[in-house]
Amino acid sequence: GESVGLHLPTLSVQEGDNSIINCAYSNSASDYFIWYKQESGKGPQFIIDIRSNMDKRQGQRVTVLLNKTVKHLSLQIAATQPGDSAVYFCAETSYGQNFVFGPGTRLSVLP
Amino acid sequence: DSGVTQTPKHLITATGQRVTLRCSPRSGDLSVYWYQQSLDQGLQFLIQYYNGEERAKGNILERFSAQQFPDLHSELNLSSLELGDSALYFCASSGGLGRNTEAFFGQGTRLTVV
Repeated sequence: GESVGLHLPTLSVQEGDNSIINCAYSNSASDYFIWYKQESGKGPQFIIDIRSNMDKRQGQRVTVLLNKTVKHLSLQIAATQPGDSAVYFCAETSYGQNFVFGPGTRLSVLP
Repeated sequence: DSGVTQTPKHLITATGQRVTLRCSPRSGDLSVYWYQQSLDQGLQFLIQYYNGEERAKGNILERFSAQQFPDLHSELNLSSLELGDSALYFCASSGGLGRNTEAFFGQGTRLTVV
């Protein structure tokens, strides 16, 4: 389930299940969105992106959905693996202006 | 390897001191961004430079300043350090304005103020 921890909301899923991480973005003028994965002690790493003229984009085991009407972004991870355990951030930007990051969600994969 | 290089990786200093963090962006990237991440917190945008000029400012304290040099590397200067400044400081670079490309992050500088 999903719970709010001391600092970051945490999503716990069973290995092999699908994960859905949600993000609400703030700027209706944002036209480019990215999901990043951050492992402990490392910098954020790009996972997948989507432009505002799309509502869905698929990668390998990951899918990003964009709902501009309600300014909502989601990241779906299929068949979640232990190596997926990390903090996931969404980011929004408009034409390369500063990237604004969401608060992050910690994904914990249970054996 | 993202192609973004940050030095030093770790820094321990005393309150009241001043430090300089350095960032070399990916080859060809004109935009550099600085972010602060406190323990178990999100990424707080500090400042962005594009081709040597300040482009956007976030929640950057007056004790902090940054610049981007002609060779496009950037430095973040933190002065009159306080215990609360202890954090991970990330630099990121991207292709720049008018181009929607992802930002690539360095491995960060972990600053500890004692």
